[in-house]
Formats: sequence, structure tokens, C-alpha cells
Amino acid sequence: EDQVTQSPEALRLQEGESSSLNCSYTVSGLRGLFWYRQDPGKGPEFLFTLYSAGEEKEKERLKATLTKKESFLHITAPKPEDSATYLCAVQGGSQGNLIFGKGTKLSVKP
Amino acid sequence: DTGVSQNPRHKITKRGQNVTFRCDPISEHNRLYWYRQTLGQGPEFLTYFQNEAQLEKSRLLSDRFSAERPKGSFSTLEIQRTEQGDSAMYLCASQGGRGDQPQHFGDGTRLSIL
Repeated sequence: EDQVTQSPEALRLQEGESSSLNCSYTVSGLRGLFWYRQDPGKGPEFLFTLYSAGEEKEKERLKATLTKKESFLHITAPKPEDSATYLCAVQGGSQGNLIFGKGTKLSVKP
Repeated sequence: DTGVSQNPRHKITKRGQNVTFRCDPISEHNRLYWYRQTLGQGPEFLTYFQNEAQLEKSRLLSDRFSAERPKGSFSTLEIQRTEQGDSAMYLCASQGGRGDQPQHFGDGTRLSIL
């Protein structure tokens, strides 16, 4: 069964304190791994797509990496506005739908 | 590109009533998805349309749920005889291009059952 596990469930950082979020997955025939950011009361906002092991994507203070079993979202020198829940999702085989993890709730204190 | 639009944003109803939600996808996106999200969980897939054809339905989609996408444009999700367990955020996403392109989400409809 396709599955996504995210850790930690919650992460508190001081402004400027870099860290990483983990997404472990099992899927039959990975078509893509997706990272989203979700603010309270809003829908998920697309950040990155990774398609194959070894691929990396960057956007401002965020960098996503992918191996055959997991993905990391690295946050460098975070700011309070980076506070949100970060969701990881996979798309596998012939499926169109995404399978999501439960997310990591990030809080960045000034 | 105005993004995915969902209406209403909030819906409060009594148990046993019927409710209908609407989703307007990004124009020219041919794929449309419905997901449900409860507190502390990631979104869970409900159903999927390619143009006007409903191609996939989750086991979560009981017979009280029905979805349509007439003419391959907007979509509606109806829940009949609502139950307490139906309380959740209902999210719509649309996707264009290849089937492995990103799905873009609306801000959802939050359903509360009294």
C-alpha cells in the first residue's frame, strides 16, 4: 500500500536556525513527489515537484531533495513568515491522485 | 490565471440535510480532483475528473456523496443526509498538462455539521 510518513510532526525554530523536514514514502512506481505549504484556513500551496532520485529544487530559503526512499525539505535561515504546515505527497503508478502525509507544523520565532 | 475558486468558504448545516459545494478550476485545466481534510491530517483523495468524465472514486466516497463536472468546466460535490463524520474541509484541485504535473488547490469549503 502506498504510504507517506512525515517527521517531525511539529518543529519550533528560532529565526535564522536552519533545519530539515523529512518525508519517507513507499509507492509503486513513483511518478512524482510534491511539497506543499499550507497556512491555517487555506488550501495547500504548491512549492516543488521532484521526479527522480538525486533531483534537487530550490526556492528562496527552501531546498527539496529526493532519494529512492525519502525526501528532505531544507530550510535555511528561516523567518517568522515561513511558519506554516508543510505537506509532502506522492503520485504513483497509474494513479492521478496524490497521497499525502500528515504534515510538519513549523513555527519560527523571532 | 485566477486560481482555483471554491464556494461557499464555510457551510454550517444540521445533521441529515443535503449540501452542495462548487469548484471552479483554473481555466483550461482538464483534470479536477476533490479531497477531504480533517484537523491534523493531510488531504485524502475522494474523486477525480478528466474533462467531464469521472475516472476514479475513493472507497471514502460513500453512496451519499456524488460529484459532477458538466461540460468539463466547474464541478459540484453533493453530500446527502449529512452525518457528524462529514465535518471536514473539502478541497478542490485542478491540473493541466501531463498527469504528473502539480495539482493546484483552492482554499476549500469548511463543512460543520451541527
